[in-house]
Amino acid sequence: RKEVEQDPGPFNVPEGATVAFNCTYSNSASQSFFWYRQDCRKEPKLLMSVYSSGNEDGRFTAQLNRASQYISLLIRDSKLSDSATYLCVVKRLSDMRFGAGTRLTVKP
Amino acid sequence: DADVTQTPRNRITKTGKRIMLECSQTKGHDRMYWYRQDPGLGLQLIYYSFDVKDINKGEISDGYSVSRQAQAKFSLSLESAIPNQTALYFCATSDSRTSVSTDTQYFGPGTRLTVL
Repeated sequence: RKEVEQDPGPFNVPEGATVAFNCTYSNSASQSFFWYRQDCRKEPKLLMSVYSSGNEDGRFTAQLNRASQYISLLIRDSKLSDSATYLCVVKRLSDMRFGAGTRLTVKP
Repeated sequence: DADVTQTPRNRITKTGKRIMLECSQTKGHDRMYWYRQDPGLGLQLIYYSFDVKDINKGEISDGYSVSRQAQAKFSLSLESAIPNQTALYFCATSDSRTSVSTDTQYFGPGTRLTVL
């Protein structure tokens, strides 16, 4: 079983839609959590950290449920420029584990 | 100029050849990492280094070696390349002075390696 699991998608949504991605992790000792964004053939870049109380950054909302070992990312009012692969990342001490990513395509 | 650079960006080589991928950074970070990315598998950590004298194996170090020549430079070698090492390779850096919850890794642009 992979340590970080994500639905690979693809998610194809129209502009303006709300879309949610989920991620589960197996190591209960994980300490910190992130969402990264990766454009096609490019390097991953940090989208946002995920805090226990949940956090929001503009149209993006991240949630963490430690009891269920579950992380989510909600994107509201999708834009064409949101099309990318979203990587769930889980960290314990210096060990960072990446999910395989969920691909999102936003269409006009 | 990019903060994390990788050379070469693309490389095609043959089975059995030795190849070196290089990574340089101007971010002043002490920690550096090498990952490979395969379709459907996500990024897998090959090696990481917390300072010049510190080298650690990651999840998939077999068939690879690394050298941390300076704080800003971290190279990855494939001593005898094989076709299943065909992948996209990323170097990344981070700063040990940031808190655990905000620790971010900054990635280079990647090296696409094909082993025939």
